[in-house]
Amino acid sequence: GAVVSQHPSWVICKSGTSVKIECRSLDFQATTMFWYRQFPKQSLMLMATSNEGSKATYEQGVEKDKFLINHASLTLSTLTVTSAHPEDSSFYICSATPGQLENEKLFFGSGTQLSVL
Amino acid sequence: DAKTTQPPSMDCAEGRAANLPCNHSTISGNEYVYWYRQIHSQGPQYIIHGLKNNETNEMASLIITEDRKSSTLILPHATLRDTAVYYCIVRPYTGGFKTIFGAGTRLFVKA
Repeated sequence: GAVVSQHPSWVICKSGTSVKIECRSLDFQATTMFWYRQFPKQSLMLMATSNEGSKATYEQGVEKDKFLINHASLTLSTLTVTSAHPEDSSFYICSATPGQLENEKLFFGSGTQLSVL
Repeated sequence: DAKTTQPPSMDCAEGRAANLPCNHSTISGNEYVYWYRQIHSQGPQYIIHGLKNNETNEMASLIITEDRKSSTLILPHATLRDTAVYYCIVRPYTGGFKTIFGAGTRLFVKA
């Protein structure tokens, strides 16, 4: 099946620093990528939808200046957590889909565990 | 908001069939039902999807009721490695196909 690679798998950073997470579709071109965050024992919460070459669409309550998303190519999207604080500590997961058909599968990265000290 | 409801948890004996129900009473005519599962600290894994016909693949079977208001995911011979959170998702035809996750069902497969 299709592969979505996400890096890093885990990152520890100091409060106030910025962290970039990469999401790559390895064997298909992803017209749309999605970013989720997940707190312990909770479900995935959609943060934003990014389409190649255009601005991301953020879900209500997600700060776009805090979580910068760039989808510069059909195989790469990045999420930058700016000025991270301990409350930003979470499991971040990206996903990608190759097309716009209603029965297209969504493929997920392995996730990034962010810990902000 | 998620358009599906699932029981929060279920148990299943190893080797037996696991039947996971999902209610999606407000599903629209061209929306598909997808099932994913998430093993602890990993990204979700695709299992199966369908529109109105029953589907089967190497992982599971999906049974969708005739009125499409509910479905059941069947793992025919559950193993300990099938212990995970299972998510039933109705994927919209519009809105960029964004996928909203509900709470899912935590399946415990016991030896």
